[in-house]
Amino acid sequence: DAKTTQPPSMDCAEGRAANLPCNHSTISGNEYVYWYRQIHSQGPQYIIHGLKNNETNEMASLIITEDRKSSTLILPHATLRDTAVYYCIVRRYGNKLVFGAGTILRVKS
Amino acid sequence: DGGITQSPKYLFRKEGQNVTLSCEQNLNHDAMYWYRQDPGQGLRLIYYSQIVNDFQKGDIAEGYSVSREKKESFPLTVTSAQKNPTAFYLCASSIDSAGPGELFFGEGSRLTVL
Repeated sequence: DAKTTQPPSMDCAEGRAANLPCNHSTISGNEYVYWYRQIHSQGPQYIIHGLKNNETNEMASLIITEDRKSSTLILPHATLRDTAVYYCIVRRYGNKLVFGAGTILRVKS
Repeated sequence: DGGITQSPKYLFRKEGQNVTLSCEQNLNHDAMYWYRQDPGQGLRLIYYSQIVNDFQKGDIAEGYSVSREKKESFPLTVTSAQKNPTAFYLCASSIDSAGPGELFFGEGSRLTVL
């Protein structure tokens, strides 16, 4: 599976949109982009995944560029409870999920 | 409620002792996984099981053992052969391993070797 690159940390003001970037320049055609998050000392939580179209659910939106080499996870109105480590993972169906170091998102009041 | 239950939440062990971490799920999922997490790092896969009575080694299986005798249970034994066992251990499950693979995680077990 392709490797991903994320910034180590980001800050966001409460109530504003949090935009978390992820680079996956070596992604291949049958690999999906997944996002999970992990609040301190808890198990990771699935957020969203997509192949090439933009996706939205009750938690977030996933924007994938047309060439699929990068993506952005958008939390539309960040709250203090969104402070967590966010993992971007590229995976082909049937392969294991491989977690990198992720991005620490700090939402500040 | 459906979910994954890990126990114990905290565990202390003396060097040279084996310890078994419990993981139970009532989601009727076929696939189950064990991950290890060290401070400030991502998760690393220890073992996974796609079906009852079958399991495969992950990336860091040395010093660990598992069993999958029942669909709902996937216990992990940390043996004395594991050189640095102090870590946060996470169990997860998914409907199957071939599809979208949304993983559901337990709350974790924190093991400290004294």
